[in-house]
Amino acid sequence: DQQVKQNSPSLSVQEGRISILNCDYTNSMFDYFLWYKKYPAEGPTFLISISSIKDKNEDGRFTVFLNKSAKHLSLHIVPSQPGDSAVYFCAASPSNAGNNRKLIWGLGTSLAVNP
Amino acid sequence: NAGVTQTPKFQVLKTGQSMTLQCAQDMNHEYMSWYRQDPGMGLRLIHYSVGAGITDQGEVPNGYNVSRSTTEDFPLRLLSAAPSQTSVYFCASRPRRLSEAGTEAFFGQGTRLTVV
Repeated sequence: DQQVKQNSPSLSVQEGRISILNCDYTNSMFDYFLWYKKYPAEGPTFLISISSIKDKNEDGRFTVFLNKSAKHLSLHIVPSQPGDSAVYFCAASPSNAGNNRKLIWGLGTSLAVNP
Repeated sequence: NAGVTQTPKFQVLKTGQSMTLQCAQDMNHEYMSWYRQDPGMGLRLIHYSVGAGITDQGEVPNGYNVSRSTTEDFPLRLLSAAPSQTSVYFCASRPRRLSEAGTEAFFGQGTRLTVV
């Protein structure tokens, strides 16, 4: 059973517009969430994170929003650039695992930003 | 500043062969892990280690062995390769504690393994 769900396998947006990538989770013990970006033939790279004590975290063009009551988070990229074309993974970590936390991963959303 | 280094990048094995995927990190991270990525399956945790001498199973450990004799190295062994182990393998490391400061995992570039 997928505890972290990225229901859109792919997304296509125009350069300069906003990209919104969504992630839903089922485990109420998750308290730390991360987004990773992955280019073909490379390992995932960290993009941005948010803890459950916040509802928003911003880093340049990237903003993550967390709605705990809906168990939903989203990644906004504004403005989108062709170099943002990649697979984006959402990951979550449960608070009840102490310091040996594992990351639970979504299946990823492939973003294509068209010039 | 090497980060996480995986070798080899590509490997083809025959069914039944054994091999070791190497992973090394130079960031003094306690936590290291191995994932496999298959189409439509996301990243699945194979084994992980919270420090030298300590390893544990992840989500899909069968067919794989690990050891952690040093902080820097975390090799993954395939004892008898099977076609079902055809996948892309990623090694990752991070500090043991996740925090809001973004002590996120750093990944190697991956090993693409084909078992024929």
